Amino acid sequence: GAVVSQHPSRVICKSGTSVKIECRSLDFQATTMFWYRQFPKQSLMLMATSNEGSKATYEQGVEKDKFLINHASLTLSTLTVTSAHPEDSSFYICGGGLAGVKADTQYFGPGTRLTVL
Amino acid sequence: GNSVTQMEGPVTLSEEAFLTINCTYTATGYPSLFWYVQYPGEGLQLLLKATKADDKGSNKGFEATYRKETTSFHLEKGSVQVSDSAVYFCALSPFSGYSTLTFGKGTMLLVSP
Repeated sequence: GAVVSQHPSRVICKSGTSVKIECRSLDFQATTMFWYRQFPKQSLMLMATSNEGSKATYEQGVEKDKFLINHASLTLSTLTVTSAHPEDSSFYICGGGLAGVKADTQYFGPGTRLTVL
Repeated sequence: GNSVTQMEGPVTLSEEAFLTINCTYTATGYPSLFWYVQYPGEGLQLLLKATKADDKGSNKGFEATYRKETTSFHLEKGSVQVSDSAVYFCALSPFSGYSTLTFGKGTMLLVSP
């Protein structure tokens, strides 16, 4: 149980375009969704935390106007990279958090590899 | 603040060798501790967790014991397989019921036949 999917798994886009990444919790309701960015051979950097129906909370240094996060339902969150540039190329991973006794556990999607040309 | 420190890799082992990956943490209160595994090109999978002192998390032959006195959560496996080659992340959440995680930098494990 606790499966999270991400779509697309890979995307290549031109500089200046926008890209949307979807994160879905398939068999549970994710009260909180987390978006991470991972650079090669490095740890995960938390970008933002979102709760269903409310605005996302962004970590310091993350541009909220560039990385738009929408958490429209308990099973879907989206990350839109607006006006993407090559420096935005990275591996993006979402994580879903449960409520209740398992609230301290996150379940992660398989990640999306974004390449901006 | 909270932090997690892992041993730097890569850790290179032969198949059937014993594995230890060290993890220590800094946190106030009573954090929950986790090990996640990331296979090449994939997201993270929860490997095991422990929520209170002296708890032992275990899964797929891996285990780790929550040691509050040494603020450690070392990952061990008695006999590694080639398929265990991956990056292992130690993480904590500051208290039970709170899902924001602080990750260590990850340790790459390479197992050769």
